[in-house]
Amino acid sequence: GAVVSQHPSWVICKSGTSVKIECRSLDFQATTMFWYRQFPKQSLMLMATSNEGSKATYEQGVEKDKFLINHASLTLSTLTVTSAHPEDSSFYICSARDPPLDLHFGNGTRLTVT
Amino acid sequence: GQQLNQSPQSMFIQEGEDVSMNCTSSSIFNTWLWYKQDPGEGPVLLIALYKAGELTSNGRLTAQFGITRKDSFLNISASIPSDVGIYFCAGGKTGANNLFFGTGTRLTVIP
Repeated sequence: GAVVSQHPSWVICKSGTSVKIECRSLDFQATTMFWYRQFPKQSLMLMATSNEGSKATYEQGVEKDKFLINHASLTLSTLTVTSAHPEDSSFYICSARDPPLDLHFGNGTRLTVT
Repeated sequence: GQQLNQSPQSMFIQEGEDVSMNCTSSSIFNTWLWYKQDPGEGPVLLIALYKAGELTSNGRLTAQFGITRKDSFLNISASIPSDVGIYFCAGGKTGANNLFFGTGTRLTVIP
């Protein structure tokens, strides 16, 4: 079945640094990928929709300059958390669409900003 | 964004018991999907439903797409300890790329 690989699985960084998270579709091409944030014991909150070859679409309240998204190929989208702060600590999950509508998720990245 | 109402919020059951959870919405969806999320991992797709009234099974799991297209349910029969996790429903609409997620049902299976 479809597989989405997310890297790294966890990262600890110092406040003020930037962190890049990668999301790859391994056996299918994904023109659209999605980035979510999940707080403990809560559901997934959509942050942005990543579109191959064009700008990402951000959900209301999500700072596009802080959460930079690049979707340079049909199998790779990256999320960069710029100038990270402790409040950015969270579980970030990507997903990719395997047509017609099935959505497959990566294993998530636990970000801890100290 | 829009969230679906999922119930129950959490369940504690004995191993071997059946489980039922459901998801409702005030709007119509064209697709319903059910996911399971283990701690520290991403959600894994369990069942996808594409037509109103559709009943689909995947092993001990059975899910149905409500006839009104505003709800769906998931049943797990003869639960086992590895069924523990959080189950999310998700609804999709034609023309929309993303899915709308339920609030999750946390399942605990007591051996």
